[in-house]
Amino acid sequence: EIVLTQSPATLSLSPGERATLSCRASQSISSYLVWYQQKPGQAPRLLIYDASNRATGIPARFSGSGSGTDFTLTISSLEPEDFAVYYCQHRSNWPWTFGQGTKVEIK
Amino acid sequence: QVQLVESGGGVVQPGRSLRLSCPASGFTFSSYGMHWVRQAPGKGLEWVAVVYYDGSKKFYADSVKGRFTISRDNSKNTLYLQMNSLRAEDTAVYYCAREQLGHLDYWGQGTLVTVSS
Repeated sequence: EIVLTQSPATLSLSPGERATLSCRASQSISSYLVWYQQKPGQAPRLLIYDASNRATGIPARFSGSGSGTDFTLTISSLEPEDFAVYYCQHRSNWPWTFGQGTKVEIK
Repeated sequence: QVQLVESGGGVVQPGRSLRLSCPASGFTFSSYGMHWVRQAPGKGLEWVAVVYYDGSKKFYADSVKGRFTISRDNSKNTLYLQMNSLRAEDTAVYYCAREQLGHLDYWGQGTLVTVSS
């Protein structure tokens, strides 16, 4: 099974700052990487699919990049509603797996 | 609008069984693969299982293989998860989710399963 390792575990930033989240795969997954956002008490929300494609309704401040084993989710300027936990997930083969999550918290 | 509503969660003793249901509406259910994903209290997301749009293929996480069975009834627009031989580590919120070409674009609100004596 492919292991996804997210870093950092926690990111402490202020509104307006840039957030850079990393997801590393234990083997190449091409561009088959997805990002989700989850807020407390809510279901996850799809943000980015196939490494760099924003899902419907996702603001342009969210962007994804990478291929192979190294991927990045960037939030260009944090809005108050962006403080949440972010998960990556691969779809390269079965079983799918998720990273352990990065919490973006208010500094 | 797409709606997925999980039900069937509750408190169950170790070794017992439980069946979760997820009726779907607002889209052509029989055209989409469907998944179960779970989240233990205070922990991250764990993918559990998938069933193809026509029920022809199913895949499972190693942690549930042989104990859980995913199924669907396209005539009832409903996804199921039969969970047998439940363990304390199966305690989690269970989400059903629709797959759109490799990503999960719609999720239910989840149902809590607690395995405890």
